[in-house]
Amino acid sequence: AQKVTQAQTEISVVEKEDVTLDCVYETRDTTYYLFWYKQPPSGELVFLIRRNSFDEQNEISGRYSWNFQKSTSSFNFTITASQVVDSAVYFCALSREYGNKLVFGAGTILRVKS
Amino acid sequence: GAGVSQSPRYKVAKRGQDVALRCDPISGHVSLFWYQQALGQGPEFLTYFQNEAQLDKSGLPSDRFFAERPEGSVSTLKIQRTQQEDSAVYLCASSPAGGRSYNEQFFGPGTRLTVL
Repeated sequence: AQKVTQAQTEISVVEKEDVTLDCVYETRDTTYYLFWYKQPPSGELVFLIRRNSFDEQNEISGRYSWNFQKSTSSFNFTITASQVVDSAVYFCALSREYGNKLVFGAGTILRVKS
Repeated sequence: GAGVSQSPRYKVAKRGQDVALRCDPISGHVSLFWYQQALGQGPEFLTYFQNEAQLDKSGLPSDRFFAERPEGSVSTLKIQRTQQEDSAVYLCASSPAGGRSYNEQFFGPGTRLTVL
């Protein structure tokens, strides 16, 4: 069975602080995909990044960076110099190589205060 | 271009009523998904279509839930004899191709169903 755990229910930071959102996953597959989605108050899930299980290179996109470590089954997400507009619920998700369905974690609520 | 649209955005039903939720995927997208998101939780998979074929319905919680996509585009999720535990946001997503799970899913705004 596949499972995603986001242990942080809610995080509050002050603008310009760095923040890391944790994601731990469980799967018996050797090939799988990991995703991060953002859900702003409007409710629509917005895709942020996808990673396949064979690519452990960390990735940076502007203020966002992702740290994928197969050894610890973790796929953590860091926002550098957070902004109020980053306030949202962030979901980590896992899918098998085929079948397409996403297994989501419970989400982490990020509140960035000015 | 237009994204995934869902209607209605909000639906209030009395317990025991039937409801129908509509999803218009991005034009040309092969794959279509339905998820259920309870308050404070992550979305949970309900069912998956590749064109008009329903390839996975393992997430449908009971036989009161039924989904269709007869012409491979618009999809309808129907819930019969609604119960209070059906209250949730129902999210639809589409993806440009089928097969491998590599493809990003594009989500609609959801339909918030409240069963009284």
